[in-house]
Amino acid sequence: NAGVMQNPRHLVRRRGQEARLRCSPMKGHSHVYWYRQLPEEGLKFMVYLQKENIIDESGMPKERFSAEFPKEGPSILRIQQVVRGDSAAYFCASRGGDEQYFGPGTRLTVT
Amino acid sequence: GESVGLHLPTLSVQEGDNSIINCAYSNSASDYFIWYKQESGKGPQFIIDIRSNMDKRQGQRVTVLLNKTVKHLSLQIAATQPGDSAVYFCAELGGNNRLAFGKGNQVVVIP
Repeated sequence: NAGVMQNPRHLVRRRGQEARLRCSPMKGHSHVYWYRQLPEEGLKFMVYLQKENIIDESGMPKERFSAEFPKEGPSILRIQQVVRGDSAAYFCASRGGDEQYFGPGTRLTVT
Repeated sequence: GESVGLHLPTLSVQEGDNSIINCAYSNSASDYFIWYKQESGKGPQFIIDIRSNMDKRQGQRVTVLLNKTVKHLSLQIAATQPGDSAVYFCAELGGNNRLAFGKGNQVVVIP
């Protein structure tokens, strides 16, 4: 029973490029949460999605960031025109009942 | 706004001793709290949770205490082992089941 999977694990982008982060939830889970973790800080909620719907995007920056969770395939967090301040670890979590299970994260470095 | 925060940034503990990590929260309406452990390069891992109708909950070698009067919770780890070295976060469950994390508390176990 595979856990939450994220890829890539490490991603390096130059300023102005696009970053795409993928998250495959646990089998049978239809709720996905994305969180961002800056160095030496706790995780901050970004967005909550169910299949084909964005339920809560109150933590998403207003520009350049978008997320989707299509009917088929993984959830995608997309960051356009990346800046150095986007460098962080991005975690997704999937939920089946009450508990959220976290993936290993994608570490984005913007050079 | 509401926030969850930790008091001590780093705790060094001798192997075999007990560890205590503290956390303060500000939202008196919160009714569900979780402790997570995060090892280097990994995602948060669920340790134990507690609901507001309880003041103590025990797991294997871990105990969580909740004091609603002063809005404080703590995590106690008995007989700390080298594998307990990690960053520990308390988190509060909010609307849409999104998690609000504190900043983290590093535990270093000295062999």
